[in-house]
Amino acid sequence: EVQLVESGGGLVQPGGSLRVSCAASGFTFSSYWMHWVRQVPGKGLVWVSRINSDGSSTSYADSVKGRFTISRDNAKNTLYLQMNSLRAEDTAVYYCARDKWTPDYWGQGTLVTVSS
Amino acid sequence: QSALTQPRSVSGSPGQSVTISCTGTSSDVGGYNYVSWYQQHPGKAPKLMIYEVSKRPSGVPDRFSGSKSGNTASLTISGLQAEDEADYYCCSYAASYTKVVFGGGTKLTVL
Repeated sequence: EVQLVESGGGLVQPGGSLRVSCAASGFTFSSYWMHWVRQVPGKGLVWVSRINSDGSSTSYADSVKGRFTISRDNAKNTLYLQMNSLRAEDTAVYYCARDKWTPDYWGQGTLVTVSS
Repeated sequence: QSALTQPRSVSGSPGQSVTISCTGTSSDVGGYNYVSWYQQHPGKAPKLMIYEVSKRPSGVPDRFSGSKSGNTASLTISGLQAEDEADYYCCSYAASYTKVVFGGGTKLTVL
């Protein structure tokens, strides 16, 4: 069974940093591209970033480019999102999702709140 | 990359059919056969319902179907059931497969 479990969310001050993680199991993690997608509570889904299977290629939404970094550790079956220079508008539930020509399996999300 | 355009809400009675549209551009929906649809119930993660325009993952009822014409994709739900009440999002690859764009979401109400 495919499982994706996010962790690392919490409260952070504006301008601060946070790293969220996504532990994968039930599939060959190193064979799949992965995504981060976020959702402000009560609002829609917004794509954040994706990484290819070996980590050599990444892409980002314009809103986070230069501030967020996606990475992965295939030995640990874990996906990461390093978030720097956080802003109030980054407050959202962050989901990781496996890619199979679309985000197919999703985790349950981790809430990141940026507030003073 | 702008969000794909979906109606904010649609509704239908049990047993009826509803169609949700998703309008993009030739740079996303119109340019790729990688349009997908997700169902999301409150407090839950999105669930993939349709991928590659019209394919259904295992376990998704055949009441759900997808299509595309030009820059507009559509999700049709026939034989509406109470449990279909949820938010629905379309999604497409864009920018030479380097980016993904979602629609703004449509709230389906089963009357």
